[in-house]
Amino acid sequence: AQSVTQLGSHVSVSEGALVLLRCNYSSSVPPYLFWYVQYPNQGLQLLLKYTTGATLVKGINGFEAEFKKSETSFHLTKPSAHMSDAAEYFCAVSRALTGGGNKLTFGTGTQLKVEL
Amino acid sequence: GAVVSQHPSRVICKSGTSVKIECRSLDFQATTMFWYRQFPKQSLMLMATSNEGSKATYEQGVEKDKFLINHASLTLSTLTVTSAHPEDSSFYICSARRIGRGAYEQYFGPGTRLTVT
Repeated sequence: AQSVTQLGSHVSVSEGALVLLRCNYSSSVPPYLFWYVQYPNQGLQLLLKYTTGATLVKGINGFEAEFKKSETSFHLTKPSAHMSDAAEYFCAVSRALTGGGNKLTFGTGTQLKVEL
Repeated sequence: GAVVSQHPSRVICKSGTSVKIECRSLDFQATTMFWYRQFPKQSLMLMATSNEGSKATYEQGVEKDKFLINHASLTLSTLTVTSAHPEDSSFYICSARRIGRGAYEQYFGPGTRLTVT
């Protein structure tokens, strides 16, 4: 079974400050890991993903995340927050399905608030 | 590329009626589509996995007779909520897996807000 834990349902940062959103996972097989962003009343947009290879992955909008197997973590960071980053962020882990495809398991989400 | 649309974006229906939600991959073919449900301020819960030309696979606890899924073509999957009740009010999101790409690539639609009165 797979699971994702996002520490902190709400995170508030000042504009220009570092953004750190935490994600820990549990998986019995090597995981695929994802961060998605959701703006109000919209679907999910992929920020970045880790599958294999380099453990530091860069995504859109200046976000990056580092896969740390020893810590079972995949924390999302951005050096300098912008007002437009205010949104809900979901970490997800994936496992392969028999016959192809994959099944995503989402964390409970972290609401990021950016203040002036 | 890899755009997924949903129609309608919002729908209000009366209790006891049925409502159909469409999920389309606009610029790619999808063998597999997924349907999620999201309650306010909560995460996405997978309801079912829809494979083109075969029956959908439902997650535990999801009533297959209430949430009918049809994946009739490589670009269209539909979710029909039958005999809707107020507790079915929710945000429904679909995603699609692109043929020929990595097994991990899912593209999400913008969601459908269902309100049952």
